[in-house]
This record gives sequence, structure tokens and C-alpha cells, in this order.
Amino acid sequence: KQEVTQIPAALSVPEGENLVLNCSFTDSAIYNLQWFRQDPGKGLTSLLLIQSSQREQTSGRLNASLDKSSGRSTLYIAASQPGDSATYLCAVSFNKFYFGSGTKLNVKP
Amino acid sequence: EAGVAQSPRYKIIEKRQSVAFWCNPISGHATLYWYQQILGQGPKLLIQFQNNGVVDDSQLPKDRFSAERLKGVDSTLKIQPAKLEDSAVYLCASSLESIEAFFGQGTRLTVV
Repeated sequence: KQEVTQIPAALSVPEGENLVLNCSFTDSAIYNLQWFRQDPGKGLTSLLLIQSSQREQTSGRLNASLDKSSGRSTLYIAASQPGDSATYLCAVSFNKFYFGSGTKLNVKP
Repeated sequence: EAGVAQSPRYKIIEKRQSVAFWCNPISGHATLYWYQQILGQGPKLLIQFQNNGVVDDSQLPKDRFSAERLKGVDSTLKIQPAKLEDSAVYLCASSLESIEAFFGQGTRLTVV
């Protein structure tokens, strides 16, 4: 059974810092990995999709990498802003999507 | 392109009552998922449909939860009777061939 773990569970940083969120999974037989953002009381917004043949994806200040052999992905956020405060979830897909518990990020002005 | 639509957004019911949630996926997406997200946890898959057939319902508490996807488009998830521990956000998602998942805004259920 696929297990997805996200570290740290919570993170508080001052505005402007670069930061890294980690996601690990136990079964490397995955199709894709997706990073989501969830604001309080809202649904999930897709940030980045890394397909199994890719090693990384970039969108603006966000960069996500994938190492299937080691079962790891990282989400790098450059020059963090208070508007980045949210919970970040990673999900691996293999016919269905398996989620970690998320990292709750707070960026202080 | 319209996203995944869910209703209602919020629902408060007493324990032992019944409740139903509705989801309309993105047009053309054959796969539809219902997830349950308890506060502070990641979403947990309840049921997965491919068109109007069930692919996986192994985590669905079938004594109280039921779901259907008539005509392979809209879906409803029902809870009867509800328990206090069913308080959660219920998320509907759809995808094209399980490549990328798109989620609705969710329904926040509070059972009192």
C-alpha cells in the first residue's frame, strides 16, 4: 500500500525566505506526482504536475522535483510572500491519488 | 473550461440524520473521485468511478455511505445515518486517465 509522508507538518518563516517542502512515498511505481495548495475552508488548487518521465516542473516562484528511485519530491518556493500562507499537499498517482497530510505554511510579514 | 462543481458548500446536521452531496465533474473526464478530508489530515479516497462503474470502494463505509454516478457524469454521495466522526470536508475530483486531478471546492459537513 502506498504511504505518502510530508515533512515538516508546519513551517513558519519571515517574508522573503526561500523554503523547501518535502514529500516522500513508499512505492516508486507511480504515474505522476502533483502538488496542491489548500486555503482554509477551500478545495485543492493544483500547483504543479510532474509526470513520471520528468524530473522537475517550474511555475513562477515554484519549482518541484521528483526522484522516483528514492521516493522523494521537493517543492521549492522562492522569495516567500504572506500570500503563500496555506497548506501544501503532495499526491502520487497510480490509478488513484494518494495524499500526504500536508505542510501548513505561515509566511510572516 | 468550467471546473468541478460541488454543492452544497456547507451542511450542518444532527447525528443519525441523512445527507447527500452532489458533484458535477469537468466535461469529458471519465474518472470521478470522492475524498473525505478530516481536519488536519490529507484527503482519503472513499470511492472512484470510471464512467458509471465503480473502480475502487474499498475505503467506503458501506453500512452508512453510498454513492452513484448515473449516466457517467454527475455523482451523488449519501450518508445515512450520519455519525459525529463523519464531520469532515468531502471533496470531489475528476481526471482524464488519472493523469492530473482537478478538485471542487468541497462540502464541509458538521454533524452535531
